[in-house]
Amino acid sequence: AQRVTQPEKLLSVFKGAPVELKCNYSYSGSPELFWYVQYSRQRLQLLLRHISRESIKGFTADLNKGETSFHLKKPFAQEEDSAMYYCALSSVGAQKLVFGQGTRLTINP
Amino acid sequence: DVKVTQSSRYLVKRTGEKVFLECVQDMDHENMFWYRQDPGLGLRLIYFSYDVKMKEKGDIPEGYSVSREKKERFSLILESASTNQTSMYLCASSLWTGELFFGEGSRLTVL
Repeated sequence: AQRVTQPEKLLSVFKGAPVELKCNYSYSGSPELFWYVQYSRQRLQLLLRHISRESIKGFTADLNKGETSFHLKKPFAQEEDSAMYYCALSSVGAQKLVFGQGTRLTINP
Repeated sequence: DVKVTQSSRYLVKRTGEKVFLECVQDMDHENMFWYRQDPGLGLRLIYFSYDVKMKEKGDIPEGYSVSREKKERFSLILESASTNQTSMYLCASSLWTGELFFGEGSRLTVL
């Protein structure tokens, strides 16, 4: 079965500090991993996906198949990064995503 | 720009009422989804559809049904609403797996 775990419900860091949001998954096949973000009063939207290997808004995430992790990182947090972040997984060719529980990130000034 | 529109932002219903949540997308996407979003539980898939008149159960289909008579419209139906169905409901669409485009959500309160 596919499962995504985000161990931190809440994460608070100061502006300018590094940020890491943790995501672990369980899946026996070849997964596709994503991070979605929901800013206050906005709809949920895709932040990045592992296959594109892009850096979006300064965030990066590396798929570590050995540790079954896909942690989201940013070296210097900004106040506008405050949001709800969801890690998600799908199997290759599948239609649906399985989401984690979400982490609410707060950046303090 | 993809637009997914959920007809009702806020609804208040009584236990036992039948509830319809409507979702329309304007980008000719094959796939449509209904999730519910609860604090601490994340998003859980209720139903999804990959074609007109086709539907598949997600992880928590009990108490819900869906209808997809037209490609652009995907409706979620609560036959007899219960208090444990109080939640935020998110509709999404996609062309292929991965980039889901979400609506703004429908917050349902069942009294």
